Amino acid sequence: DVKVTQSSRYLVKRTGEKVFLECVQDMDHENMFWYRQDPGLGLRLIYFSYDVKMKEKGDIPEGYSVSREKKERFSLILESASTNQTSMYLCASSFFPWGTGGAGNEQFFGPGTRLTVL
Amino acid sequence: AQSVAQPEDQVNVAEGNPLTVKCTYSVSGNPYLFWYVQYPNRGLQFLLKYITGDNLVKGSYGFEAEFNKSQTSFHLKKPSALVSDSALYFCAVSPLTGGGNKLTFGTGTQLKVEL
Repeated sequence: DVKVTQSSRYLVKRTGEKVFLECVQDMDHENMFWYRQDPGLGLRLIYFSYDVKMKEKGDIPEGYSVSREKKERFSLILESASTNQTSMYLCASSFFPWGTGGAGNEQFFGPGTRLTVL
Repeated sequence: AQSVAQPEDQVNVAEGNPLTVKCTYSVSGNPYLFWYVQYPNRGLQFLLKYITGDNLVKGSYGFEAEFNKSQTSFHLKKPSALVSDSALYFCAVSPLTGGGNKLTFGTGTQLKVEL
């Protein structure tokens, strides 16, 4: 089974702190994603990566950055946390090798990190 | 740009009755369509997907969904609901070409199955 793990289930930080959320997948997937989930808004894509050191902005990248130094690890960084970044953060991965069909492959999700910024 | 609408925030069903969770989509060209389920304090779990072929797709836990191109819908169904089906359900869409593997999700429908 594909396993996607996230470094923390619950996290409490102060306004202005730099926050790192870590995600690791064990299935050699090319694609990795970061979403935030808010009630009534569903899941919104923050950033995604289709290869090591590659990244692309999603729908709501403002206030966030990402890092992918190794294929299995994708980090989300809040440079200066603010209260409006209090949310559930979900990481996902999918199999999507270059030059092949793969847009129909499902994404596999981690358990989520519930971040509270005070 | 693609979008997904889940018109019902909550659906209530009695155990043993059939259930339907509605989803409509908008995308350029042909779509890939997905359903995911989220149990409390958990990540999303994949239920089923439509890529091509038969319009009726069968998935995990007895769920199925019907792709209707003319109505741009992909409703999730189950013939007989269980209390354990109570969860948050998300529909998602990706374009067949040009979208990579990015998904656009709906806002979710809370399913409550009561005895």
